[in-house]
Amino acid sequence: KNQVEQSPQSLIILEGKNCTLQCNYTVSPFSNLRWYKQDTGRGPVSLTIMTFSENTKSNGRYTATLDADTKQSSLHITASQLSDSASYICVVSAGYSTLTFGKGTMLLVSP
Amino acid sequence: DAGVTQSPTHLIKTRGQQVTLRCSPKSGHDTVSWYQQALGQGPQFIFQYYEEEERQRGNFPDRFSGHQFPNYSSELNVNALLLGDSALYLCASSLGPYAGGTDTQYFGPGTRLTVL
Repeated sequence: KNQVEQSPQSLIILEGKNCTLQCNYTVSPFSNLRWYKQDTGRGPVSLTIMTFSENTKSNGRYTATLDADTKQSSLHITASQLSDSASYICVVSAGYSTLTFGKGTMLLVSP
Repeated sequence: DAGVTQSPTHLIKTRGQQVTLRCSPKSGHDTVSWYQQALGQGPQFIFQYYEEEERQRGNFPDRFSGHQFPNYSSELNVNALLLGDSALYLCASSLGPYAGGTDTQYFGPGTRLTVL
């Protein structure tokens, strides 16, 4: 069964600090991995998408890494801002089938 | 360029009733996928429509049905509503039905359904 596990479940950091969110997956055959940001009550917005051959991708202050051997990904947020407070969801696709979503990490950036 | 739009934004129904949610995909997209997101959970795939046909379906009962129109817009219908159907229903559009491709799925803002 395809699964995506994210950690931590929730995280509180001070504004300006960095943080790293983790994603472990058991999805086969792996096609690509995406990180989404979801503000409360809104639809997810794509941050990055990585294929098997990519091991890092940046989008502004967001940097995602992928280790296809260990089936792990991380999302690093640099110099956090209050607007970064949201749920961050890791999504993995298997071949050409549907996407498998993690439950998300709820990040709260405190002033 | 309008993104994915959904209507209504909020909806309150009672158990046993039926509900219809609507979605218009992003301009240029021809595939619509529907997701159910319970509070504190990640989205769960319901089904996907492409070329006016249901192409893939998640683990949801037949009470959940859908339709895609020639203009690529889509409807999600839920019959005999249960309390557990209360959730945020998300619509996502993409170009082509292959979720494994690198084309990003664009999500709408969602419809918040509350079943009393």
